[in-house]
Amino acid sequence: GENVEQHPSTLSVQEGDSAVIKCTYSDSASNYFPWYKQELGKRPQLIIDIRSNVGEKKDQRIAVTLNKTAKHFSLHITETQPEDSAVYFCAASKRDDKIIFGKGTRLHILP
Amino acid sequence: DAGVIQSPRHEVTEMGQEVTLRCKPISGHDYLFWYRQTMMRGLELLIYFNNNVPIDDSGMPEDRFSAKMPNASFSTLKIQPSEPRDSAVYFCASKGPGLAGGRYNEQFFGPGTRLTVL
Repeated sequence: GENVEQHPSTLSVQEGDSAVIKCTYSDSASNYFPWYKQELGKRPQLIIDIRSNVGEKKDQRIAVTLNKTAKHFSLHITETQPEDSAVYFCAASKRDDKIIFGKGTRLHILP
Repeated sequence: DAGVIQSPRHEVTEMGQEVTLRCKPISGHDYLFWYRQTMMRGLELLIYFNNNVPIDDSGMPEDRFSAKMPNASFSTLKIQPSEPRDSAVYFCASKGPGLAGGRYNEQFFGPGTRLTVL
């Protein structure tokens, strides 16, 4: 079955700097890669997703890239702000199948 | 829509007791997922249903755990007997069919149930 590896497990960046979180997946049939953000004590919420027919997608300060050949995908957050502090989960899925989550990255934005 | 609804939000029980967690998915969604979240193991998928039928229960840790979905608007996750290592936050999530609202495959999570087994 699918296995999603995520790193780093913890990341601290200065406010205003960029943050990058990287993930790898094992099942070449996976075609959907969402990213969820979970604030302390809250539920995970989708922030951006990418499908396998696209190499990059942007939404304001966040962007995701996908390398299907290498089975890598990444989340990039630019101009980080205090409200970006949270746990971020990458995930991989095939259509109409379960989503497999990575272990999460705890992002700290330092003042 | 009110989103995915879970109850109770917090549950404290003693080892050996039966625990029942409840979930109401978003109306019209045909997939329902149960997850368990702990610091050590992250977000684990326990079981998921499609059109009220269990599709994959390979994540259910052992026979003490069971889940049902008697109709499209209700699901339960039961632990009997409960043990301290079952302490975790349990999330229910639901997903609509195919490409809906532009967000393909998006799962919507409920607020979670924080379970503490003493």
